[in-house]
Amino acid sequence: ETGVTQSPTHLIKTRGQQVTLRCSSQSGHNTVSWYQQALGQGPQFIFQYYREEENGRGNFPPRFSGLQFPNYSSELNVNALELDDSALYLCASSDRTGPGETQYFGPGTRLLVL
Amino acid sequence: GNSVTQMEGPVTLSEEAFLTINCTYTATGYPSLFWYVQYPGEGLQLLLKATKADDKGSNKGFEATYRKETTSFHLEKGSVQVSDSAVYFCALSETRGSQGNLIFGKGTKLSVKP
Repeated sequence: ETGVTQSPTHLIKTRGQQVTLRCSSQSGHNTVSWYQQALGQGPQFIFQYYREEENGRGNFPPRFSGLQFPNYSSELNVNALELDDSALYLCASSDRTGPGETQYFGPGTRLLVL
Repeated sequence: GNSVTQMEGPVTLSEEAFLTINCTYTATGYPSLFWYVQYPGEGLQLLLKATKADDKGSNKGFEATYRKETTSFHLEKGSVQVSDSAVYFCALSETRGSQGNLIFGKGTKLSVKP
């Protein structure tokens, strides 16, 4: 069973640029959630996709957007990057929506905005 | 809104010492509760979970009991090892709608000395 994978592992961008992060969900999972983890903090929920539809969103501006594909992999896009967007971005997959399901995390993409 | 509060770190222990990391939560409804662990430079790994009151989650010698009366989910281990050095996150899964997103505490860094 293949776990959650993310690419790239590290990324450096400058302020104002756009970035796309990618996530492949664990086999058999149809739900992908994205989280932002600032240094020294707990992860913050960005949004969740279930069967290619957005299924909930945290307190993040519209310049954070996403997609989920028919194979349940997902992308996180961030436009007009700001310095505060520097963080570890974590993707998690699970096999159904609703409370109590276990979310399995990938290793993350570390984004640095200069 | 829903929230999770963890004891402040860092926590430094000698090998074979007893570990307690306190976690309390605020939530409407009946959340599920989780402990995740993050090793240096890695993503999050699920350590244990409990989905209803009085459930005890356990894994690798770690235990936590879902206490609804005290809204707590404290993590314990009887004898820590150097390899347990990591950051530990308490989290809850919201019951709002069908989102199932996780709300995390700020994390507690544990260092175990030989």
